[in-house]
Amino acid sequence: SQKIEQNSEALNIQEGKTATLTCNYTNYSPAYLQWYRQDPGRGPVFLLLIRENEKEKRKERLKVTFDTTLKQSLFHITASQPADSATYLCALNTGTASKLTFGTGTRLQVTL
Amino acid sequence: GAGVSQSPSNKVTEKGKDVELRCDPISGHTALYWYRQSLGQGLEFLIYFQGNSAPDKSGLPSDRFSAERTGGSVSTLTIQRTQQEDSAVYLCASSQAKTGVWAGELFFGEGSRLTVL
Repeated sequence: SQKIEQNSEALNIQEGKTATLTCNYTNYSPAYLQWYRQDPGRGPVFLLLIRENEKEKRKERLKVTFDTTLKQSLFHITASQPADSATYLCALNTGTASKLTFGTGTRLQVTL
Repeated sequence: GAGVSQSPSNKVTEKGKDVELRCDPISGHTALYWYRQSLGQGLEFLIYFQGNSAPDKSGLPSDRFSAERTGGSVSTLTIQRTQQEDSAVYLCASSQAKTGVWAGELFFGEGSRLTVL
């Protein structure tokens, strides 16, 4: 069956450390993968997109990698801050190029 | 408006009633999506509209659910004979995606929280 899996347990990390979140998928061949941030009671907000022919993408303190052989994306937040605390969702195009399917998300908690 | 607008923000209804949820996408965005998010869960794809093409309805959970998009802009998601398991946040998103091209960035509204008693 087709799945997009993210760590269901919350990730607790100390301020200043690097947070690493994982997104694994099976039985898809996505042309691209996206990461979103969702705060409680709000809609998701787009962070980064990485294409299948890209290994790594960076934006400020964020870094995303995409390994199509392992069928995995890693999302890193360096020098994490309490304001980074949120749920992070990965999304793949599945079926048609424009259809996005989301993972269940990983909740990140950054403490002082 | 500046962003995706959804209404109502909250809706409480009795089991068996029909509800309509509205989404006003960003002006000029040709693609519009509806997702459902149950408590503590990820986003479940419901339906996708792209321009004048036939919508992708593959995520609608039952024939009680329907959606339309009038004039390529505002969309309405209708749930008939609501059940308690329909309780969730219904999120709408729009993007500049063109047919057959990658979605690009999705802009989400704040969602409509539906509670079925």
